[in-house]
Amino acid sequence: KAGVTQTPRYLIKTRGQQVTLSCSPISGHRSVSWYQQTPGQGLQFLFEYFSETQRNKGNFPGRFSGRQFSNSRSEMNVSTLELGDSALYLCASSLVMGEETQYFGPGTRLLVL
Amino acid sequence: AQSVAQPEDQVNVAEGNPLTVKCTYSVSGNPYLFWYVQYPNRGLQFLLKYITGDNLVKGSYGFEAEFNKSQTSFHLKKPSALVSDSALYFCAVREKGSGGYNKLIFGAGTRLAVHP
Repeated sequence: KAGVTQTPRYLIKTRGQQVTLSCSPISGHRSVSWYQQTPGQGLQFLFEYFSETQRNKGNFPGRFSGRQFSNSRSEMNVSTLELGDSALYLCASSLVMGEETQYFGPGTRLLVL
Repeated sequence: AQSVAQPEDQVNVAEGNPLTVKCTYSVSGNPYLFWYVQYPNRGLQFLLKYITGDNLVKGSYGFEAEFNKSQTSFHLKKPSALVSDSALYFCAVREKGSGGYNKLIFGAGTRLAVHP
């Protein structure tokens, strides 16, 4: 079974631009979560989606948003990019919401110049 | 608030020696604990988890972890380290909300370096 896939793998943007990242969960998995990884803050939870609904959101500004489609694929969007948004964005999927084990994708590395 | 702590930024081990990567937790209620490993330019790979049951949990690649409730610890161990085990290791605790949401809270990570 294929794992979690994320596209693109690398991205370079400039301040003020917006970006959309994509995540395809493991086949059959319906819950998708997003995390941001930076050297300074470590791994931080962004949000979780299940059945096309955001179920939980971390402490990030409203510039960070996401959505989930009927096939469980998810996208996250960051508007008005700031230098501090440079990070590795990781997507994780689990079978259902509340399922203990989350399986992570390879991540999208975003560099904001 | 639930949290995990990894007291060591880096652990150095000689190949063939046993390794331990430490993790302590602070939770209300029963903890759901996880270990993940991250290789350079890769995402996180699931190693093992403790939900309930035996305090010694066996996982992937020969790793195991010991849950100790009295010491609130969940240390990762391996009897014989390999150079290929060199990576960044994360301990995590699951925070589960009343709405059923599923959020992992991670430690800062411990870099394991296994020397030949």
